[in-house]
Amino acid sequence: KNEVEQSPQNLTAQEGEFITINCSYSVGISALHWLQQHPGGGIVSLFMLSSGKKKHGRLIATINIQEKHSSLHITASHPRDSAVYICAVKGDSGAGSYQLTFGKGTKLSVIP
Amino acid sequence: DSGVTQTPKHLITATGQRVTLRCSPRSGDLSVYWYQQSLDQGLQFLIQYYNGEERAKGNILERFSAQQFPDLHSELNLSSLELGDSALYFCASSARGGSSYNEQFFGPGTRLTVL
Repeated sequence: KNEVEQSPQNLTAQEGEFITINCSYSVGISALHWLQQHPGGGIVSLFMLSSGKKKHGRLIATINIQEKHSSLHITASHPRDSAVYICAVKGDSGAGSYQLTFGKGTKLSVIP
Repeated sequence: DSGVTQTPKHLITATGQRVTLRCSPRSGDLSVYWYQQSLDQGLQFLIQYYNGEERAKGNILERFSAQQFPDLHSELNLSSLELGDSALYFCASSARGGSSYNEQFFGPGTRLTVL
């Protein structure tokens, strides 16, 4: 079983819809990343969070440490949001080691 | 633009060959991370360097090696290449990696195709 599970695997939405992508993890973590990967392959870091909620433009990320769960929300979705969204966690053990464990990603397609 | 650069962007080579991928971290970043993204495995951590020293190892094959130079750029060497090594290789950097964890910034990746 993967330590980081994302759902859904694929998501198709109409432009303007509110979108939620979920990430659950099974290990203790000290940080969680949401990453965006466009069709060209490049990866952009959207958020890094360890508690609570962060907002950037139309994107909102929340994390519940007790429930080992994070969500990425996109409000008023747009076709340019079409990408693969990847959740990655940094474990809370191994001082000095900052390797990330990744989910398999959620492929989002926003249709005009 | 994350500030992390990787060269080359694309690399096509044959089985059994050896290649070197290069990464320059953001200015001032001491930590460099290497990741492999293949179709079947997704993103996987390979290795981390901090200020020239190896800090953590992940799923890195013995045929692969890396180093970080005094100017903080890093190279990932892949030898005896196999078809299954075809993948996107990403480098990321972060400010520290000592006693505190900082956000990682990803380079554009090198797409390796082994024929």
